[in-house]
Amino acid sequence: EVQLVESGGGLVQPGGSLRLSCAASGFNFGRYWMTWVRQAPGKGPEWVANINGDERGKYYVDSVKGRFNISRDNAKGLLYLQMNNLTAEDTAVYYCARDLVGQQLVFDFWGQGTLATVSS
Amino acid sequence: QSALTQPPSASASPGQSVTISCTGTSSDVGDYNYVSWYQKHPGKAPKLMMYEVTKRPSGVPDRFSGSKSGNTASLTVSGLQAEDEAEYYCSSRGVFGGGTSLTVL
Repeated sequence: EVQLVESGGGLVQPGGSLRLSCAASGFNFGRYWMTWVRQAPGKGPEWVANINGDERGKYYVDSVKGRFNISRDNAKGLLYLQMNNLTAEDTAVYYCARDLVGQQLVFDFWGQGTLATVSS
Repeated sequence: QSALTQPPSASASPGQSVTISCTGTSSDVGDYNYVSWYQKHPGKAPKLMMYEVTKRPSGVPDRFSGSKSGNTASLTVSGLQAEDEAEYYCSSRGVFGGGTSLTVL
């Protein structure tokens, strides 16, 4: 059974940092593109970043370029999102998701999410 | 890219059918057959219900169907059941709609 479990969310002040983790199990993790999607309160989801199996391909939504870094540890089945210089606009539930087919940005399994709140 | 446009709410009685629309532009919905739909129950992980406009992942009931005409994609749920009550989001290559709250009356 495919399982994705996020952790690392919390309350952080503007300008601060958070590192989100996603523990994956039940599939050959290293063979899949993986993605972070976020959903701010009252809004639709927003694709944030994705990464291919060997970490050579990393892509970001414009609003987080230069501030967020996606990475993975295939040996441990872990996906990460390092978030720096956070602003209130980054407040959201962050989901990790598995890409169904390469770069189609279709996500066949999601975690339940972890909430990141940026507030003073 | 701008978010895709969905009606905020939809409703129908058990056993009836309901269609949720998703409107984009010729640069997203209209240009690709990469429209997908997700179901979200409160407190649960989103679930993929449809991809590439008309393809159902394994385990999704055939009561769910997808279509597209021009810049508008649609998700139709036939034979509505109480468990179908949820938020539904469309997406085209990572750009999402604002969501439609489906109520089963």
